[in-house]
Amino acid sequence: NAGVMQNPRHLVRRRGQEARLRCSPMKGHSHVYWYRQLPEEGLKFMVYLQKENIIDESGMPKERFSAEFPKEGPSILRIQQVVRGDSAAYFCASSPTGTSDQETQYFGPGTRLLVL
Amino acid sequence: GIQVEQSPPDLILQEGANSTLRCNFSDSVNNLQWFHQNPWGQLINLFYIPSGTKQNGRLSATTVATERYSLLYISSSQTTDSGVYFCAVLYGNKLVFGAGTILRVKS
Repeated sequence: NAGVMQNPRHLVRRRGQEARLRCSPMKGHSHVYWYRQLPEEGLKFMVYLQKENIIDESGMPKERFSAEFPKEGPSILRIQQVVRGDSAAYFCASSPTGTSDQETQYFGPGTRLLVL
Repeated sequence: GIQVEQSPPDLILQEGANSTLRCNFSDSVNNLQWFHQNPWGQLINLFYIPSGTKQNGRLSATTVATERYSLLYISSSQTTDSGVYFCAVLYGNKLVFGAGTILRVKS
């Protein structure tokens, strides 16, 4: 029973390039959450998606960041024109339905983004 | 929004010692989770514990929802317990994390 999968595990980009982070939820889970962990800090919520819908993007930076969860395929977190301050670990989590406040969110291994 | 505070911020233990980590939260919650982030950065679910007590091996957790705190107990600590321990509460659709407790277990 595969857990949440993220790739790549490590990503190096130069300033101004684009970063694409992928997340495949656990089997049977249709709700995906993205969190960011800046160096020496805790995790902060970014966005919550269902298939083809963004439910809550209140934690997303206003510019350069976008997320999608298409009908087929993984969820993608896209960062355009990366800057050094985007260097962080980006975690994806999934849950079965997202409608119960008693659900556990299961986390992937994270993608560590380094911007040179 | 809800505030989640963890204490102590860091802790050094000798192998075999016991410890208690605390998580205070500022509002009523129905969902609280404890995580361990190992030295390789992976987040591991330890407990889903909105109330009551659970045990898993050397680890146990207690949440007193009416008093807005949760405790994580580590007994007979091992070097593999080192890492950062986070508690997180569900607020709306999102998990709100505390700043974590950094635990280092020395052999």
